[in-house]
Amino acid sequence: DAGVTQSPTHLIKTRGQQVTLRCSPKSGHDTVSWYQQALGQGPQFIFQYYEEEERQRGNFPDRFSGHQFPNYSSELNVNALLLGDSALYLCASSFWQDRSETQYFGPGTRLLVL
Amino acid sequence: QKEVEQNSGPLSVPEGAIASLNCTYSDRGSQSFFWYRQYSGKSPELIMFIYSNGDKEDGRFTAQLNKASQYVSLLIRDSQPSDSATYLCAVNRNQGGKLIFGQGTELSVKP
Repeated sequence: DAGVTQSPTHLIKTRGQQVTLRCSPKSGHDTVSWYQQALGQGPQFIFQYYEEEERQRGNFPDRFSGHQFPNYSSELNVNALLLGDSALYLCASSFWQDRSETQYFGPGTRLLVL
Repeated sequence: QKEVEQNSGPLSVPEGAIASLNCTYSDRGSQSFFWYRQYSGKSPELIMFIYSNGDKEDGRFTAQLNKASQYVSLLIRDSQPSDSATYLCAVNRNQGGKLIFGQGTELSVKP
């Protein structure tokens, strides 16, 4: 049973460029969440997608956008990159069972903005 | 006040000892509580979740929740050097959606 997968693993971009990160959820999971983790900090919630709609959004600017496809995979797009966008980007997949949702993280994409 | 607070450590314990990791949260309406382990350079790995007051045990790990005190903890019995990692506490206001993380506690288990 494949876990959550993300691509690419590493990425180097320059300021002002745009980037697209990809995530495939764990088999059987229909919900995808994206987080940004700066060095030495806990992950910060960007947004969550369910049924191809953005269900919840964290405190991130509109430069951060996403998409979920019918097969539940997801993309995170970041426009007009800033140096401060350098971080580990984590995708988490989940599904609702009983009264709860548990999120499982992929390996992450490490983005460096120069 | 941070929404989820953890002592950043490092917390150092000898091999075989009990490691106690603590977390407090500010939103009294929080419903779900999670502990993740993160090895250096890797992504967070789920260890345990807890929803109800009291203790929940899974192998060497015990999660403890006290909603009245807004406090959740993780005990690791018989600590091993392989337990050396950063432990992240995460809280969910509802039963799903946005997880709010603490900054993590670095644990070092010395042989």
